[in-house]
Amino acid sequence: GQQVMQIPQYQHVQEGEDFTTYCNSSTTLSNIQWYKQRPGGHPVFLIQLVKSGEVKKQKRLTFQFGEAKKNSSLHITATQTTDVGTYFCVLERDYGGSQGNLIFGKGTKLSVKP
Amino acid sequence: DAGVTQSPTHLIKTRGQHVTLRCSPISGHKSVSWYQQVLGQGPQFIFQYYEKEERGRGNFPDRFSARQFPNYSSELNVNALLLGDSALYLCASSLRKGSYNEQFFGPGTRLTVL
Repeated sequence: GQQVMQIPQYQHVQEGEDFTTYCNSSTTLSNIQWYKQRPGGHPVFLIQLVKSGEVKKQKRLTFQFGEAKKNSSLHITATQTTDVGTYFCVLERDYGGSQGNLIFGKGTKLSVKP
Repeated sequence: DAGVTQSPTHLIKTRGQHVTLRCSPISGHKSVSWYQQVLGQGPQFIFQYYEKEERGRGNFPDRFSARQFPNYSSELNVNALLLGDSALYLCASSLRKGSYNEQFFGPGTRLTVL
């Protein structure tokens, strides 16, 4: 079935350093979503990418969807302690019109040392 | 505006017991999905309901069941609890607009099975 591989599993950075997490799929994706889950919290939607080669920015966060729509990345510039959490790339399962049927990667757990 | 609400927040049960978890979606959202998140893992899809009909089911045993009510709230039932059912149970609602499908997650119910 559909699945997504996400690397690295863990990343420890010094505050101010950059951070990147990568997501790869063996199949072409219709879209990809990214969520952030703070420690003890619930997943929060960050963005959805739909177009081939799409690049979207949210302040210090840059999201990219590969040209072949099989991979994606999230880059954070100059990390802050508020960036701590687990970042998930998420596929929408192809279920013939089903909504909300998501496949989560294992996530990248980011820790930031002040 | 109220977000997705779930009750109870925490629950402790013993093996063999039954549990009912409740979810109220954001007003106007007709799609509700349930996810199980074991510590250190990404959420795993259990069920998705739209307009009171089951639209998707994940790889979970028949001990897991759910339903959606006319007001779009939902219940997740788990029978014959096992130790391995200990997890954070997340509910998510969405209001799909075309290909855009942001999922709004509730705070979750943390279930502990002893």
